[in-house]
Amino acid sequence: AIRMTQSPFSLSASVGDRVTITCWASQGISSYLAWYQQKPAKAPKLFIYYASSLQSGVPSRFSGSGSGTDYTLTISSLQPEDFATYYCQQYYSTPITFGQGTRLEIK
Amino acid sequence: QVQLVQSGSELKKPGASVKVSCKASGYTFTSYAMNWVRQAPGQGLEWMGWINTNTGNPTYAQGFTGRFVFSLDTSVSTAYLQISSLKAEDTAVYYCARDSYGSRFDYWGQGTLVTVSS
Repeated sequence: AIRMTQSPFSLSASVGDRVTITCWASQGISSYLAWYQQKPAKAPKLFIYYASSLQSGVPSRFSGSGSGTDYTLTISSLQPEDFATYYCQQYYSTPITFGQGTRLEIK
Repeated sequence: QVQLVQSGSELKKPGASVKVSCKASGYTFTSYAMNWVRQAPGQGLEWMGWINTNTGNPTYAQGFTGRFVFSLDTSVSTAYLQISSLKAEDTAVYYCARDSYGSRFDYWGQGTLVTVSS
């Protein structure tokens, strides 16, 4: 199984900050990587797919990049509604695997 | 609009069974696979497997064989997750999520909390 490792585990930031979350795959996944946002007691929501494609309706302050084994999610200017947990997911091969999550908290 | 609506929370005793439903609307049910994802309390997301909505063929991830069964009723565009011989460690929120066969999970159900307690 492909192991997905996110960094950091948690992050404190302020409204307006630029934030980057990193996700490493244990082997190349050819950009078959998605990012999800999850708020407490809610289902995850797809934000980014194929490493850098923005899901419809997601604000443009979110962006994704990367290739091979290394991927990043960037939020250019944090807004209050962005404080949540973010998960990366590889769908290159089964079993589909998720990172452990990055909890983004208000400083 | 696309919706996946899951059945409500369940409280079960150890050894019992539970069946969670996921009713799809707003799209052609058989055009998308259905996945099941588990989230234990305070934990991350764990993929349980998926079911081909055209053939009904299920694929289970390691750790979800034996007591877990995915099924369909295509006449009502609904997918099911049945868990038998429930254990306390099965306590979790279970999500269904669709994908276009080998792609990202673009729509998710709202989740069903299954609590196993004596």
